[in-house]
Amino acid sequence: RKEVEQDPGPFNVPEGATVAFNCTYSNSASQSFFWYRQDCRKEPKLLMSVYSSGNEDGRFTAQLNRASQYISLLIRDSKLSDSATYLCVGYGSSNTGKLIFGQGTTLQVKP
Amino acid sequence: NAGVTQTPKFRILKIGQSMTLQCTQDMNHNYMYWYRQDPGMGLKLIYYSVGAGITDKGEVPNGYNVSRSTTEDFPLRLELAAPSQTSVYFCASSYGDRPSIYNSPLHFGNGTRLTVT
Repeated sequence: RKEVEQDPGPFNVPEGATVAFNCTYSNSASQSFFWYRQDCRKEPKLLMSVYSSGNEDGRFTAQLNRASQYISLLIRDSKLSDSATYLCVGYGSSNTGKLIFGQGTTLQVKP
Repeated sequence: NAGVTQTPKFRILKIGQSMTLQCTQDMNHNYMYWYRQDPGMGLKLIYYSVGAGITDKGEVPNGYNVSRSTTEDFPLRLELAAPSQTSVYFCASSYGDRPSIYNSPLHFGNGTRLTVT
Protein backbone atom coordinates (compact mmCIF):
# COMPACT_ATOMS: atom_id res chain seq x y z
CA ARG A 1 0.00 0.00 0.00
CA LYS A 2 1.34 3.45 -0.89
CA GLU A 3 1.99 5.72 2.06
CA VAL A 4 -0.27 8.45 0.66
CA GLU A 5 -2.60 7.60 -2.19
CA GLN A 6 -5.07 9.57 -4.29
CA ASP A 7 -7.33 8.79 -7.22
CA PRO A 8 -5.56 10.61 -10.08
CA GLY A 9 -8.80 11.31 -11.95
CA PRO A 10 -9.29 13.32 -14.05
CA PHE A 11 -12.53 14.60 -12.63
CA ASN A 12 -14.52 16.51 -15.25
CA VAL A 13 -17.39 18.48 -13.75
CA PRO A 14 -19.66 21.34 -14.88
CA GLU A 15 -19.52 24.76 -13.27
CA GLY A 16 -21.51 24.86 -10.06
CA ALA A 17 -21.06 21.17 -9.30
CA THR A 18 -19.90 19.75 -6.00
CA VAL A 19 -16.91 17.44 -6.22
CA ALA A 20 -15.07 15.40 -3.59
CA PHE A 21 -11.61 13.86 -3.58
CA ASN A 22 -10.30 11.24 -1.18
CA CYS A 23 -6.78 10.61 -0.01
CA THR A 24 -5.78 7.51 1.97
CA TYR A 25 -2.74 7.28 4.23
CA SER A 26 -0.94 4.37 5.85
CA ASN A 27 0.66 5.97 8.93
CA SER A 28 -2.00 5.77 11.63
CA ALA A 29 0.05 8.07 13.92
CA SER A 30 -0.12 10.99 11.48
CA GLN A 31 -1.46 14.22 12.97
CA SER A 32 -0.86 16.73 10.19
CA PHE A 33 -2.29 16.65 6.68
CA PHE A 34 -2.44 19.23 3.95
CA TRP A 35 -4.20 19.84 0.67
CA TYR A 36 -2.26 21.76 -1.94
CA ARG A 37 -3.28 23.09 -5.33
CA GLN A 38 -0.88 22.97 -8.25
CA ASP A 39 -1.23 24.75 -11.60
CA CYS A 40 0.76 23.79 -14.70
CA ARG A 41 3.73 22.33 -12.75
CA LYS A 42 4.28 25.55 -10.85
CA GLU A 43 5.10 25.23 -7.18
CA PRO A 44 2.22 23.83 -5.08
CA LYS A 45 0.18 26.37 -3.14
CA LEU A 46 -1.35 25.56 0.24
CA LEU A 47 -5.12 25.16 0.11
CA MET A 48 -5.93 23.79 3.56
CA SER A 49 -4.28 22.33 6.65
CA VAL A 50 -6.00 19.50 8.53
CA TYR A 51 -4.86 18.91 12.10
CA SER A 52 -7.97 17.50 13.74
CA SER A 53 -11.30 16.33 12.41
CA GLY A 54 -11.49 18.83 9.60
CA ASN A 55 -11.35 22.36 8.30
CA GLU A 56 -13.55 24.64 6.24
CA ASP A 57 -12.68 27.68 4.18
CA GLY A 58 -15.43 29.15 2.02
CA ARG A 59 -16.35 26.63 -0.69
CA PHE A 60 -13.69 24.17 0.46
CA THR A 61 -14.09 21.61 3.25
CA ALA A 62 -11.51 19.07 4.34
CA GLN A 63 -12.43 16.19 6.63
CA LEU A 64 -10.26 13.64 8.41
CA ASN A 65 -11.49 10.12 9.08
CA ARG A 66 -8.96 8.49 11.41
CA ALA A 67 -10.79 5.19 11.67
CA SER A 68 -10.60 4.62 7.93
CA GLN A 69 -7.36 6.58 7.49
CA TYR A 70 -8.42 8.99 4.81
CA ILE A 71 -8.87 12.68 4.32
CA SER A 72 -11.29 14.21 1.88
CA LEU A 73 -11.56 17.53 0.10
CA LEU A 74 -14.99 18.82 -0.87
CA ILE A 75 -15.37 21.69 -3.32
CA ARG A 76 -18.81 23.25 -3.56
CA ASP A 77 -20.10 25.46 -6.39
CA SER A 78 -17.12 24.68 -8.63
CA LYS A 79 -15.63 27.56 -10.62
CA LEU A 80 -13.67 27.41 -13.86
CA SER A 81 -10.72 28.74 -11.87
CA ASP A 82 -10.79 25.63 -9.66
CA SER A 83 -9.36 23.60 -12.55
CA ALA A 84 -6.01 22.37 -11.27
CA THR A 85 -4.30 19.39 -9.70
CA TYR A 86 -5.02 18.85 -6.00
CA LEU A 87 -2.29 17.26 -3.94
CA CYS A 88 -2.69 15.51 -0.60
CA VAL A 89 0.26 15.46 1.83
CA GLY A 90 0.75 13.25 4.85
CA TYR A 91 3.44 11.52 6.83
CA GLY A 92 5.43 8.56 5.61
CA SER A 93 5.82 5.37 7.56
CA SER A 94 8.17 6.78 10.21
CA ASN A 95 7.34 9.75 12.44
CA THR A 96 10.44 11.70 11.47
CA GLY A 97 9.12 14.58 9.40
CA LYS A 98 8.96 12.59 6.18
CA LEU A 99 6.13 14.34 4.34
CA ILE A 100 4.86 12.39 1.34
CA PHE A 101 2.66 13.60 -1.50
CA GLY A 102 -0.09 11.64 -3.11
CA GLN A 103 0.07 11.50 -6.89
CA GLY A 104 -2.46 14.29 -7.25
CA THR A 105 -6.05 14.48 -8.50
CA THR A 106 -6.76 16.48 -11.62
CA LEU A 107 -9.94 18.55 -11.71
CA GLN A 108 -11.31 20.09 -14.88
CA VAL A 109 -14.31 22.36 -14.44
CA LYS A 110 -16.18 22.99 -17.69
CA PRO A 111 -18.63 25.79 -18.56
CA ASN B 1 10.33 38.37 3.02
CA ALA B 2 12.03 36.04 0.51
CA GLY B 3 10.72 32.70 1.88
CA VAL B 4 12.31 29.75 0.02
CA THR B 5 14.72 30.65 -2.77
CA GLN B 6 15.95 28.14 -5.34
CA THR B 7 18.69 28.64 -7.90
CA PRO B 8 19.07 28.20 -10.78
CA LYS B 9 15.58 28.37 -12.33
CA PHE B 10 16.63 26.42 -15.42
CA ARG B 11 19.61 24.27 -16.30
CA ILE B 12 20.63 21.96 -19.11
CA LEU B 13 23.25 19.34 -18.28
CA LYS B 14 25.09 16.82 -20.38
CA ILE B 15 25.11 13.19 -19.27
CA GLY B 16 27.79 12.63 -16.65
CA GLN B 17 28.09 16.26 -15.58
CA SER B 18 27.54 17.28 -12.00
CA MET B 19 25.77 20.23 -10.44
CA THR B 20 24.37 21.56 -7.20
CA LEU B 21 20.86 22.89 -6.86
CA GLN B 22 20.79 25.60 -4.23
CA CYS B 23 17.99 26.15 -1.72
CA THR B 24 17.88 28.68 1.08
CA GLN B 25 15.10 29.80 3.41
CA ASP B 26 14.87 32.78 5.74
CA MET B 27 11.96 31.63 7.92
CA ASN B 28 14.10 29.77 10.48
CA HIS B 29 12.32 26.54 9.60
CA ASN B 30 13.96 23.43 11.00
CA TYR B 31 12.63 21.05 8.33
CA MET B 32 13.66 21.17 4.70
CA TYR B 33 12.78 18.92 1.76
CA TRP B 34 13.74 18.19 -1.81
CA TYR B 35 11.08 16.85 -4.18
CA ARG B 36 11.19 16.04 -7.86
CA GLN B 37 8.23 16.09 -10.23
CA ASP B 38 8.30 14.31 -13.57
CA PRO B 39 5.82 15.27 -16.33
CA GLY B 40 2.27 14.21 -15.47
CA MET B 41 3.35 12.78 -12.13
CA GLY B 42 3.16 13.75 -8.48
CA LEU B 43 5.97 15.00 -6.27
CA LYS B 44 8.46 12.40 -5.06
CA LEU B 45 10.55 13.02 -1.94
CA ILE B 46 14.30 12.78 -2.63
CA TYR B 47 15.85 13.77 0.72
CA TYR B 48 14.76 15.65 3.78
CA SER B 49 16.32 17.20 6.85
CA VAL B 50 14.86 17.78 10.30
CA GLY B 51 17.63 20.12 11.37
CA ALA B 52 21.19 21.24 10.74
CA GLY B 53 23.51 18.25 10.52
CA ILE B 54 20.66 15.75 10.05
CA THR B 55 19.54 14.36 6.70
CA ASP B 56 17.58 11.30 5.66
CA LYS B 57 16.54 9.54 2.48
CA GLY B 58 13.12 9.96 0.97
CA GLU B 59 11.40 7.86 -1.69
CA VAL B 60 13.87 8.35 -4.57
CA PRO B 61 17.35 9.21 -3.18
CA ASN B 62 19.54 7.34 -5.69
CA GLY B 63 21.81 9.58 -7.72
CA TYR B 64 21.57 12.50 -5.28
CA ASN B 65 23.33 13.78 -2.19
CA VAL B 66 22.46 16.50 0.29
CA SER B 67 24.00 18.32 3.20
CA ARG B 68 22.59 20.59 5.88
CA SER B 69 25.39 22.52 7.51
CA THR B 70 23.17 25.47 8.43
CA THR B 71 19.48 25.94 9.22
CA GLU B 72 19.04 28.16 6.15
CA ASP B 73 20.66 26.10 3.37
CA PHE B 74 19.89 22.67 1.94
CA PRO B 75 21.76 22.08 -1.33
CA LEU B 76 21.04 19.07 -3.55
CA ARG B 77 23.96 17.54 -5.42
CA LEU B 78 23.80 15.52 -8.64
CA GLU B 79 27.15 13.80 -9.17
CA LEU B 80 26.71 12.01 -12.50
CA ALA B 81 23.71 13.42 -14.30
CA ALA B 82 21.52 10.93 -16.19
CA PRO B 83 18.55 11.51 -18.53
CA SER B 84 16.30 9.94 -15.87
CA GLN B 85 17.05 12.96 -13.68
CA THR B 86 15.34 15.31 -16.11
CA SER B 87 12.62 16.78 -13.92
CA VAL B 88 11.39 19.80 -12.02
CA TYR B 89 12.96 20.02 -8.57
CA PHE B 90 11.19 21.73 -5.70
CA CYS B 91 12.71 22.67 -2.39
CA ALA B 92 10.40 23.22 0.58
CA SER B 93 10.66 24.07 4.25
CA SER B 94 8.40 23.86 7.28
CA TYR B 95 8.40 23.94 11.05
CA GLY B 96 8.07 20.56 12.72
CA ASP B 97 8.05 19.20 16.26
CA ARG B 98 10.18 16.20 17.07
CA PRO B 99 9.08 13.44 17.24
CA SER B 100 7.25 14.68 14.24
CA ILE B 101 3.58 14.30 14.64
CA TYR B 102 3.08 17.96 13.85
CA ASN B 103 4.25 20.00 10.88
CA SER B 104 3.41 23.47 9.75
CA PRO B 105 2.53 23.62 6.04
CA LEU B 106 5.31 23.34 3.48
CA HIS B 107 6.59 26.54 1.91
CA PHE B 108 7.90 25.93 -1.60
CA GLY B 109 10.51 27.54 -3.77
CA ASN B 110 9.70 28.31 -7.41
CA GLY B 111 11.42 25.17 -8.68
CA THR B 112 14.44 24.31 -10.82
CA ARG B 113 13.75 22.89 -14.26
CA LEU B 114 16.57 20.51 -15.13
CA THR B 115 17.13 18.79 -18.47
CA VAL B 116 19.83 16.15 -18.90
CA THR B 117 20.73 15.29 -22.51
